[in-house]
Amino acid sequence: GDSVTQMEGPVTLSEEAFLTINCTYTATGYPSLFWYVQYPGEGLQLLLKATKADDKGSNKGFEATYRKETTSFHLEKGSVQVSDSAVYFCALRNAGSARQLTFGSGTQLTVLP
Amino acid sequence: NAGVTQTPKFQVLKTGQSMTLQCAQDMNHNSMYWYRQDPGMGLRLIYYSASEGTTDKGEVPNGYNVSRLNKREFSLRLESAAPSQTSVYFCASSEVGEQYFGPGTRLTVT
Repeated sequence: GDSVTQMEGPVTLSEEAFLTINCTYTATGYPSLFWYVQYPGEGLQLLLKATKADDKGSNKGFEATYRKETTSFHLEKGSVQVSDSAVYFCALRNAGSARQLTFGSGTQLTVLP
Repeated sequence: NAGVTQTPKFQVLKTGQSMTLQCAQDMNHNSMYWYRQDPGMGLRLIYYSASEGTTDKGEVPNGYNVSRLNKREFSLRLESAAPSQTSVYFCASSEVGEQYFGPGTRLTVT
């Protein structure tokens, strides 16, 4: 079945540091890929997405590129802020799965001032 | 628009008690979902409803039942709660694109 593997956290960075959170996936066919963010005490919000190979999703300074050859969708940001502290989830949706999402285990990011 | 709303926000149950978690969305979405979130395990799908009148099991359906009451509302019932059902429960809805999540219900079963 489909699966998503994320780098384990927690990740602690200083403000303005570069962020990478690794995500790799296993799926049949051509899934869509997503990054969701969960701020403390809240539900998940879509951060960015990519629907086909070589697409780059971007939002709020975050970017991720859909790499079919390495089955990866790593999240990056050039300069993190304290307000980016949250849990980040990588997810995929396969076309044949009734629009269900398969999530990674989440990565806790803490940014220190 | 309120988006996806869930009630209650917090609940403590004793083993064997029953309860229903309520979810409603005002975005006219066809599909609705129930997930549970446990530490280190991401979100796992319990049940989903692709459209009004249909429901299907997800990855972890045992111990739960659902009702798609109408297009807006999708409830999750625990008939006989167990400590293993201690978790945070999220409802979500979608149309053809992203899923929109509610704020969650934190359930503790003692």
